[in-house]
Amino acid sequence: QLQLQESGPGLVKPSETLSLTCTVSGGSISSSSYYWGWIRQPPGKGLEWIGNIYNSGKNYYNPSLKSRVTISVDTSKNQFSLSLNSVTAADTSVFYCARLFYHDTSGFHMYFDLWGRGTLVTVSS
Amino acid sequence: QSALTQPPSTSGSPGQSVTISCTGTSSDVGSYLYVSWYQQHPGKAPKLMIFEVSKRPSGVPDRFSGSKSGNTASLTVSGLQAEDEADYYCSSYAGNNNFLFGGGTKLTVL
Repeated sequence: QLQLQESGPGLVKPSETLSLTCTVSGGSISSSSYYWGWIRQPPGKGLEWIGNIYNSGKNYYNPSLKSRVTISVDTSKNQFSLSLNSVTAADTSVFYCARLFYHDTSGFHMYFDLWGRGTLVTVSS
Repeated sequence: QSALTQPPSTSGSPGQSVTISCTGTSSDVGSYLYVSWYQQHPGKAPKLMIFEVSKRPSGVPDRFSGSKSGNTASLTVSGLQAEDEADYYCSSYAGNNNFLFGGGTKLTVL
């Protein structure tokens, strides 16, 4: 079955850029029914949507993070990636990649049906 | 856009029912049928429990049900079991391809 796996550095210095990749296995990232998203969770806190991307590269970002976020997709590698620049300690979080069920023949849906296991990124010098 | 509002905690005894609320605005919960609920056990990834307000994915027990009235959505867990103890998060589509999550509710089974 389809699985998602986050990868990237677990420690990033303040003011630098956080970069993560999500590898999709057991299915194609090019499926027309899905967007692919990033969600983060600071330690002990709630979930925050970061943004989504379609296989065409069309992306949407949380307005509160839009100035610092870039999400890209590489369909040849079945991967999508997150970059968050100018990080501070407040960006320390578990980052999840997830699949957003967007639409099918029955219409629009808009929910995250599959999640990766998450990866902790700590921002510290 | 602000996070959806959930109570920080709730509890119930085995066999009882609990309801968790999720309050948004007329721009998100009140405008769309795209409310979903996620269960998260400690150290684990969130798991989809309810989508489109009241639909259950395959494999989710029918003890879990969802509803919506106006700007508030609700998740009800009936016949509480020990394994239901977890954090629960609501989410709503907020228009313009934006999504909101709630702050989470910790459910304790007494």
